[in-house]
Amino acid sequence: VQLEQSGAEVKKPGESLKISCKTSGYRFPSYWIGWVRQMPGKGLEWMGILYPGDSDIKYSPSFEGQVTISADQSISTAYLQWSSLKASDTAMYYCARAIPGTKYLDYWGQGTLVTVSS
Amino acid sequence: QSVLTQPPSVSAAPGQKVTISCSGSSSNIGNHYVSWYQQIPGSAPKLLIYDNNERPSGIPDRFSGSKSATSATLGITGLQTGDEADYYCATWDSSLSAGVFGGGTRLTVL
Repeated sequence: VQLEQSGAEVKKPGESLKISCKTSGYRFPSYWIGWVRQMPGKGLEWMGILYPGDSDIKYSPSFEGQVTISADQSISTAYLQWSSLKASDTAMYYCARAIPGTKYLDYWGQGTLVTVSS
Repeated sequence: QSVLTQPPSVSAAPGQKVTISCSGSSSNIGNHYVSWYQQIPGSAPKLLIYDNNERPSGIPDRFSGSKSATSATLGITGLQTGDEADYYCATWDSSLSAGVFGGGTRLTVL
């Protein structure tokens, strides 16, 4: 099982962004994919989780309406996107595979650093 | 303010044992399985314990997990300098319909 995330991004406030998490080594539709934020020097925050099999998505209330989680089954890839970035979106973002049922995160990507600065 | 409460830091000497607590409520720990993650600074988190007390393949039995009512505990025995890291508990929260993490605990091996 591997999760390969897209590279670091430097963006300006107000710009849009879509980062990716390409998976391999398992059946993509059968496992949830979660996204986790880690702001500089801070702890882990659960953003949301998507089940590619039926496109069910659950957002943490703190992130609902702030980001969009999606997936493309044809290329076993999940996405996290913003329509208008803010400086406070500066953080490391991790994708991770989540087990159906208990939803613990067993395999993690290496992280994508997003820097938003004018 | 995290939904799950962990001590900010713990410390112990090499070879000793340490426990890290994680306190929640009936909407999260009280009715859902707990998992624990280790994050060495500069690296991605790694799964240590799932389903309250199960260890993934490759995780030594020095690491253990337990749960009672609305609290969970991670135990680490035979501490090594390589265990210095941040440790996070996590579970599902029925009220939020989302996963939640604890605030994290920094382990220092003196």
